[in-house]
Amino acid sequence: QVQLVQSGSELKKPGASVKVSCEASGYTFTNYPINWVRQAPGQGLEWLGWINTNTGNPTYAQDFTGRFVFSLDTSVSTAYLQISSLKAEDTAVYYCARDDLSLVRGVISHWFDPWGQGTLVTVSS
Amino acid sequence: QSALTQPPSVSAAPGQKVTISCSGSSRDIGNNYVSWYQQFPRTAPKLLIYENRKRPSGVPDRFSGSKSGTSATLGITGLQTGDEADYYCGTWDSSLSAWVFGGGTKVTVL
Repeated sequence: QVQLVQSGSELKKPGASVKVSCEASGYTFTNYPINWVRQAPGQGLEWLGWINTNTGNPTYAQDFTGRFVFSLDTSVSTAYLQISSLKAEDTAVYYCARDDLSLVRGVISHWFDPWGQGTLVTVSS
Repeated sequence: QSALTQPPSVSAAPGQKVTISCSGSSRDIGNNYVSWYQQFPRTAPKLLIYENRKRPSGVPDRFSGSKSGTSATLGITGLQTGDEADYYCGTWDSSLSAWVFGGGTKVTVL
C-alpha cells in the first residue's frame, strides 16, 4: 500500500541542526511531489513548502526560507527536511505528505494523501 | 492567525449532524478546490474529502463536503463517538502560491 514512513523523534539543543527523513513506498516516488507540514504543541497545521520529486526543485513557504532545506534521495525514495540553527519555537511534530492532484475543468486540484506518521522534534537546552 | 477561518469547536449528540464551516477569499477557496483532514490526538492527519466533495475509498458517506463561493462546509451525519477529532480544511492560495489550512475544529460528541 502507499505509505510514507518518517524517522524517529529527535531532541536537540538550540542552535543545532536536525534532519528528518520520509521514505515512500507503494508508488513511483518521482511521480508525486512531497509536502512538509508542521504542528506545534496544541496548535494547528502549518505548511512549510513542497519539493518536486522529479526535478528536486524545492519551494518554501514565506516564513520558512533560510533555515529549512528540502532534499531528496530518489535512489531510496526518500525526502528529507533539514532545519538548522534550531530554536525553541521549532519544537513541533513535522509531517511529510504526498501531494496528489488532478486537473478538473482547467483547474489543478491538490490534496495531501497519505501523510507520514510524524516526527517530533524537541528543541530544549 | 490561519488564512482560512474555522470555528474552534462544534458539538452534538450521538446520531445528530454537525457542520463545520471554512471561510476564505477569492484568492484561495473562491478559485481552488478544498480538501478536509481528520486528525485524532497524537496521530497524523488523514484525508477525508478532496475536490470539495469527493470521498476517498473507505471514508463513510456520513461525511460530506460542499463549497459555495469563498466558503466550504464539512458535514458529518449520524455522529458517532469515534468521530471525535480535529478537522482541518485546506486549499491553495493563488496569490501567495502557498497551501493554507484552517485553524482546525474540534468535534465533540455529547
